[in-house]
Amino acid sequence: DAGVIQSPRHEVTEMGQEVTLRCKPISGHDYLFWYRQTMMRGLELLIYFNNNVPIDDSGMPEDRFSAKMPNASFSTLKIQPSEPRDSAVYFCASRQTGTGIYNEQFFGPGTRLTVL
Amino acid sequence: QKEVEQNSGPLSVPEGAIASLNCTYSDRGSQSFFWYRQYSGKSPELIMSIYSNGDKEDGRFTAQLNKASQYVSLLIRDSQPSDSATYLCAVNEKNTGFQKLVFGTGTRLLVSP
Repeated sequence: DAGVIQSPRHEVTEMGQEVTLRCKPISGHDYLFWYRQTMMRGLELLIYFNNNVPIDDSGMPEDRFSAKMPNASFSTLKIQPSEPRDSAVYFCASRQTGTGIYNEQFFGPGTRLTVL
Repeated sequence: QKEVEQNSGPLSVPEGAIASLNCTYSDRGSQSFFWYRQYSGKSPELIMSIYSNGDKEDGRFTAQLNKASQYVSLLIRDSQPSDSATYLCAVNEKNTGFQKLVFGTGTRLLVSP
């Protein structure tokens, strides 16, 4: 089976531009998580969805960030307008209900975002 | 106090030695604990999960959990240069309804030939 798919893998943009990151979870997984990783702050959870519904967006840093999941196989994370401090690696992860107490999450390859 | 704490390292061990990576967590109600390996420029890869006190072995890896001490560790036997990576500890916390993972900042492991 294919793993979590993310696109683009690299994104370089200028401050003020809109950035859209995309994620396709593992088929059959009903939870989807968006993370951001930086050297300073490590891996931070931004938002997560269950059955396409946003459950907890408390990690979203500002109103400039928004996320959607229109269907079970696609999610987007949008930053508008982007700022240099948004430069980071953004990961998408998914997991499946019913995997028991472990709740194991599987990560995509990430999108490295650079905002100039 | 951070929710999940790890020594950032680097932890340097010679090839063939045992590497011991440690993690403490603050939520006493936590149920599940995970070790992820992350190579430079790559995504986190799940290598071990544990939820019962004691040891869990998988090949050269052993996860150890002590809930009373709120402590989880990862032992890597016969360390190889290919084990050089950052190891992230993650905890599934009760106060988040067990739905979210909280990650430590990771320990960088260097295995020298």
